[in-house]
Order: sequence, then C-alpha cells, then structure tokens
Amino acid sequence: QSVLTQPPSASGTPGQRVTISCSGVTSNVGRNAVNWYQQLPRTAPTLVIYDNYKRPSGVPDRFSGSKSGTAASLTISGLQSEDEADYYCAAWDDSLNGHYVFGTGTKVTVL
Amino acid sequence: QVQLVQSGPEVRKPGASVDVSCKASGYSFATYGISWVRQAPGQGLEWVAWISGYNGDTKYSPTFQGRVTLTTDTHTNTVFMGLRSLRSNDTAVYYCVRDGGSWFDSWGQGTVVTV
Repeated sequence: QSVLTQPPSASGTPGQRVTISCSGVTSNVGRNAVNWYQQLPRTAPTLVIYDNYKRPSGVPDRFSGSKSGTAASLTISGLQSEDEADYYCAAWDDSLNGHYVFGTGTKVTVL
Repeated sequence: QVQLVQSGPEVRKPGASVDVSCKASGYSFATYGISWVRQAPGQGLEWVAWISGYNGDTKYSPTFQGRVTLTTDTHTNTVFMGLRSLRSNDTAVYYCVRDGGSWFDSWGQGTVVTV
C-alpha cells in the first residue's frame, strides 16, 4: 500500500507562514484530489482542505491548499497557537483495485 | 447535524475477531459512503475499508484484504466493521468517517481495540 511523503515536522512563530509538502505518484496525487486533515492532540482528525484547495465551512481562511502534478501543499498563513497539531494529506489511489492513502504526517509546532 | 457514534472499547486475544459498529445520523445515509480509518498508538492514519451507503458496495485496503468485512443495516443507518485473525499490531483507535466523495468530512469518536 503506497503512502504519501510529508516532512516529519514544521514550525514557525505566531504570524508566520508555514507550508507542508505532500509527495505522491501519478496514481494518487497525480490523478486524484488531495485532502488535508488536522489532528489536535488526543482528538479525532478534522478536514481542513478538500479537493486540493477548497475549505470546509468553519475552517479559517489562513489555511490554503494547492497541487501541481504529483505534489501538493498545505499553507498556514498567519500561524496561530491553536494551529499546533499533526497534519495529514490524503488521496485516492487508483492502483491495486483502488484504495485510499494517507501521508506520513507532519507535526506543526508554534514556537 | 451529522453524527457518527461508535461502539465502545474492545479487548481481544491474538487470533480472535472483533466487531465495531458506527451509527450514522443527521444526513441521508444513502447519499454517502462510510470508510474506516485506524491509528495505532503514536502512529499515523491508515485507511482500512469503504462501504457505500447506497448499495453496500465495498472496497478494502490491500493490507487488510481477507481479514476485514464491512456490512450495513440501512434500517438503523449503522455500519459494522468485522476484523478477524487479530494480531498485536491491530491495536489501534478505529474511526468511522463519512466519505463525501474521496474526502472524510465527519469522523466518529473512535473505538479503541486492544489486542
């Protein structure tokens, strides 16, 4: 089962911009929508970006997403202390009769 | 509002089976699928399987093929995940999630399965 590659950690001071990368292959990121999930400590994940760049209702506009080819990214502009969490990218993968794959996860620390 | 309420924690011995339920409410059950995602202690997220709320079609992760079965009860809008031949590395929190079309927009509270 393929996995999407993310940096293990990222950090910034309040107000800074942080970008998390997500690398895949043609069968997943290259051909399908990328979604991003935020997991605060000891809670279930929540969706923060879907369909590459769309924000669910209630997600602050400091969260944005983009995709180019087999790479995607999540940017948090104007980092806030409550953004300290784990972030996972994810996408459908067309190989092996189809399955969903998650990224390795990135821990964002607000310094 | 959308709610996914899962059954309580389970403890099993290696080789045993476990069933976890997920009751959906607050939306048209047939319009969405339900996936299961697990998270081992201190680890990342891993997709397990998906079932259609419309017709019961299923897809299973290659990692779990043959060990996991999903079923639905459309009368109670409940999805059941059965996992057999449990191993110690199946110890995890298992989440049911509403599948909005390749993204998961609502998550259950999680069920801890300890092997």
